Amino acid sequence: QKEVEQNSGPLSVPEGAIASLNCTYSDRGSQSFFWYRQYSGKSPELIMSIYSNGDKEDGRFTAQLNKASQYVSLLIRDSQPSDSATYLCAVNRPGDKIIFGKGTRLHILP
Amino acid sequence: DVKVTQSSRYLVKRTGEKVFLECVQDMDHENMFWYRQDPGLGLRLIYFSYDVKMKEKGDIPEGYSVSREKKERFSLILESASTNQTSMYLCASSLEISTDTQYFGPGTRLTVL
Repeated sequence: QKEVEQNSGPLSVPEGAIASLNCTYSDRGSQSFFWYRQYSGKSPELIMSIYSNGDKEDGRFTAQLNKASQYVSLLIRDSQPSDSATYLCAVNRPGDKIIFGKGTRLHILP
Repeated sequence: DVKVTQSSRYLVKRTGEKVFLECVQDMDHENMFWYRQDPGLGLRLIYFSYDVKMKEKGDIPEGYSVSREKKERFSLILESASTNQTSMYLCASSLEISTDTQYFGPGTRLTVL
């Protein structure tokens, strides 16, 4: 089982709709979870971090964490063409460094 | 704002050359990382450093070495470049290794001919 798993996509979502990105992880002891956005040809940049079960909202972005089911998701409301990018989920190995998933390509359809 | 800079955006080298990639961060972060990113393979950790002169191998250290003589600077060295090392190289830094955000530099696109 991969440590951090994401669907590679592409995920196509109409402009204005909600984009839902999912990530599962294998280590029950993981405590830190991150979503990064990476535009083509650019480096990853942090969108959100989440450390506790439940939802965390920041503008149009909501991160959801469910430790019992070992998944973390990112919702993007009112999707815009500028949201088209690859989204990387990252999870820490307990007491160790952060591991990145391979990313999900998101395409917002105008 | 955290700033991570890398010495080159694009680099073209020949097989067998020794290649140095430099990374500098300005936020006094303890931890620095070198990744390579290839299509379909995601970000793969080459080496990381948690303190000056301290280093640990990541998932794909073969063919690479690193140097951290000063806290703000972390260098990746390709002792004898090969074509399979053609890739995007990303440097990152963070305050805490496990719980903190990693901040990335702009990347170096290395082509080995």
